[in-house]
Amino acid sequence: EVQLVESGGGLVKPGGSLRLSCAASGFTFSSYSMNWVRQAPGKGLEWVSSISSSSSYIYYADSVKGRFTISRDNAKNSLYLQMNSLRAEDTAVYYCARGLLAMARAPLDYWGQGTLVTVSS
Amino acid sequence: DIQMTQSPSSLSASVGDRVTITCRASQGISNYLAWYQQKPGKVPKLLIYAASTLQSGVPSRFSGSGSGTDFTLTISSLQPEDVATYYCQKYNSAALTFGGGTKVEIK
Repeated sequence: EVQLVESGGGLVKPGGSLRLSCAASGFTFSSYSMNWVRQAPGKGLEWVSSISSSSSYIYYADSVKGRFTISRDNAKNSLYLQMNSLRAEDTAVYYCARGLLAMARAPLDYWGQGTLVTVSS
Repeated sequence: DIQMTQSPSSLSASVGDRVTITCRASQGISNYLAWYQQKPGKVPKLLIYAASTLQSGVPSRFSGSGSGTDFTLTISSLQPEDVATYYCQKYNSAALTFGGGTKVEIK
């Protein structure tokens, strides 16, 4: 059974940093692209970042480019999102999601339960 | 950047009705279009990819069509368990942009 479990969310002050993690199990992690998608309270889905299976291709939404860094450790079956210079508008539930393919441009077939990030003073 | 526009933003229909949701891309995206269902308080679920390919386990009352800039998601006979917000998403290029969502309710 495919499982994606996010962790690392919490309350952080504007300008602060946070590192999210996603532990994957139930599939060959190194064969699939991975993604972060966020959803602000009461709002729609916003794609944040994608990384291909071998980390060769990495993409970011304009809203987070230069502030967030996606990475993965295939040996540890883990996905990460380093978030720096956080703003109030980054407040959201952050989902880890698996891409249907190895390439970093693929539909998202499995999603974690999400971790809440709140940016507030 | 390519924008994805969904319409309507919400709709109310009766059980058994045929429901159609539209997604329009600001530029052509071939068939690199996915549809997701998010039930209240739940995680999004992939329904359709490649514009018309039904994801495994999704009921056959859901179907997708379109290519280029105009796409539709159709529920052939609306069921109570279909109450949800539906999102389209493009994946033809680096930015995997979502549409704004369509909230479907039962009348």
